[in-house]
Amino acid sequence: DAKTTQPPSMDCAEGRAANLPCNHSTISGNEYVYWYRQIHSQGPQYIIHGLKNNETNEMASLIITEDRKSSTLILPHATLRDTAVYYCIVRVASSGGGADGLTFGKGTHLIIQP
Amino acid sequence: SQTIHQWPATLVQPVGSPLSLECTVEGTSNPNLYWYRQAAGRGLQLLFYSVGIGQISSEVPQNLSASRPQDRQFILSSKKLLLSDSGFYLCAWRGQWGHPVPGNTIYFGEGSWLTVV
Repeated sequence: DAKTTQPPSMDCAEGRAANLPCNHSTISGNEYVYWYRQIHSQGPQYIIHGLKNNETNEMASLIITEDRKSSTLILPHATLRDTAVYYCIVRVASSGGGADGLTFGKGTHLIIQP
Repeated sequence: SQTIHQWPATLVQPVGSPLSLECTVEGTSNPNLYWYRQAAGRGLQLLFYSVGIGQISSEVPQNLSASRPQDRQFILSSKKLLLSDSGFYLCAWRGQWGHPVPGNTIYFGEGSWLTVV
């Protein structure tokens, strides 16, 4: 799986949009970009994923650059409960079995300020 | 909808004692199942994965073992715990391609805190 680079920490004011960047310059054509977050003492929570196109769901939006070498996760209206470590992961989404588990880096610790 | 449960949520065990953590998935069939560990202040480490009943693959040599006696049940065990086995253990699953969302997203349980004393 391709390596990702994220800032170690970020602050955001409550109610504002939180924009979390991720660089994945060595991403391959068949690798997806996944975002998870981990609130303290809980299991990682899936947020969103995408291949080429921008994606949006009830939690967030994912913007992937045209060359796919970077992406941004957007939480449109951050709340205090969004304080967590956010992980950007690139991974081949294979249809078969095998060791297709996720490789987590250190992520970005997002702190939402009241 | 699909759900994943693991228990116990917290566990304090003496060195040398056995361990059994259990994980079950509901609402899907033939999932891939995973056990991860997160040591204090560190990232997640994949320990075991399983693509079917009785099929277990280990990612790292260690004092632990895993078993899958039923399609949606995954168990993490140890015969004799070490201090270094302390950590946050996570069970995870993924469905077959396209289920429940496009691709094969991996979903995690609530985690089990193990403290070996």
